[in-house]
Amino acid sequence: RKEVEQDPGPFNVPEGATVAFNCTYSNSASQSFFWYRQDCRKEPKLLMSVYSSGNEDGRFTAQLNRASQYISLLIRDSKLSDSATYLCAVNLGNDYKLSFGAGTTVTVRA
Amino acid sequence: GAVVSQHPSWVICKSGTSVKIECRSLDFQATTMFWYRQFPKQSLMLMATSNEGSKATYEQGVEKDKFLINHASLTLSTLTVTSAHPEDSSFYICSALSGNEQFFGPGTRLTVL
Repeated sequence: RKEVEQDPGPFNVPEGATVAFNCTYSNSASQSFFWYRQDCRKEPKLLMSVYSSGNEDGRFTAQLNRASQYISLLIRDSKLSDSATYLCAVNLGNDYKLSFGAGTTVTVRA
Repeated sequence: GAVVSQHPSWVICKSGTSVKIECRSLDFQATTMFWYRQFPKQSLMLMATSNEGSKATYEQGVEKDKFLINHASLTLSTLTVTSAHPEDSSFYICSALSGNEQFFGPGTRLTVL
C-alpha cells in the first residue's frame, strides 16, 4: 500500500464551480500535512499547510481528518488559472522528509 | 520567499556518461537539501537527504554509488548521475530546507539516449 494516495482525476469543472478532493495517508503517526500545486513540467509550489482545525486561504479550504487518515482540499469559485495538478504531502516525523501523492489533476474550463 | 535554483534545466546525454546537477539556495543558507525524482504522471519520490558537511542519507532502493551527492557548502548541493542509462531519464527536483519548509528548485529534465 502506498504511503500517500490520491484520486488522479481529472476533475473537469466549469469556471465558478466548487471542486473538492481527498488524499489518504497510511501512517497514523504522520505529523504534518501539505497541499502543493504543480503546473505541467514545473516544480511543486506550496499552496497551504493543513492544520488540525482546518484552515482557509481565500478560495481554498483544507481539512484534516485524523480518525480516517485523510486530508481534503476544496476550491471555491474555480478560476481558469486553478488548472493544475494538486499534490498532497505528508511528513512522518521530525526529519522534514515529505512523502508525496501522485497528484490530482484539475482542469477548469471556460 | 526563498529561492532555489537548479542547473541545468534540461540535459540530454548518451548512455554511459555521467551528469551533474546543481542545486543552489540563492538567498538563504540550507544545511539540509533533498533530491527527488519524478516520472511522468507519478509522484515525487525522495531519493536522498543531502546534509552539509556530512554524507547524504539515501532512501531504500536508491543506489548511493550511482547517485553521488555532495553538499560542500551551505548553498550548494550537487547530484551526479553516474553511468546514466535510459531508465534514469526523469525529472530531478531538489529542495532546500528553510525553517520547517521545503523550497523547491525548478527541476532538471534528464534524457538519456
